[in-house]
Amino acid sequence: DIVMTQSPDSLAVSLGERATINCRSSQSVLYSSNNKNYLAWYQQKPGQSPKLLIYWASTRESGVPDRFSGSGSGTDFTLTISGLQAEDVAVYYCQQYYSTPLTFGGGTKVEIK
Amino acid sequence: QVQLQESGPGPVKPAETLSLTCTVSGGSISTYYWGWIRQSPGKGLEWIGYIYSSGSTNYNPSLKSRVTISVDASKNQFSLKLSSVTAADTAIYYCARVYHDSSGYFFDYWGQGTLVTVSS
Repeated sequence: DIVMTQSPDSLAVSLGERATINCRSSQSVLYSSNNKNYLAWYQQKPGQSPKLLIYWASTRESGVPDRFSGSGSGTDFTLTISGLQAEDVAVYYCQQYYSTPLTFGGGTKVEIK
Repeated sequence: QVQLQESGPGPVKPAETLSLTCTVSGGSISTYYWGWIRQSPGKGLEWIGYIYSSGSTNYNPSLKSRVTISVDASKNQFSLKLSSVTAADTAIYYCARVYHDSSGYFFDYWGQGTLVTVSS
């Protein structure tokens, strides 16, 4: 199984500042034949189900604000929230879909400082 | 807008079978994959399995011996059965639509989730 490790477990960021969340996979999720990274990011607000934010490591889902961006390749990935808003308070998860079993990171909780 | 809604009979006793149904509205269940994911405090988000509208399935090996996912296209529903449950199966269970592209599978629409408690 591919193990997904997120860091930090939690972070507190001031409104309008940048939040950076890291995700590392135990093996590469870059598929060489199509040069795509099989990595998605989800946002889970309190009391809600997860919501897809980004897939293919950097493609924003329709309707997701452009302050959310994904980057990275191979085994190391980053979700950046540029200009944190109050409504961004949530737990963020990465997920690899390079191989089954599909696996998720442990989550990173983002709060307002 | 696709919407998914989980439903089930409520608490389950140890050793019994957990049964949940997901009803899809706002779109057809055909030509898509549909999945189940659970979330417990101890293990975070765990993929259970998915099914294509034709009935082909893929399960998490850690649960494969106990899991059955089925689809009823006539009702626009798919279902989960998890047998021989223990307290470790207590979790919020989510159904989700699976986005399938280039042999990749992730989840673009989620149900609200239903808490299933295993207790005697």
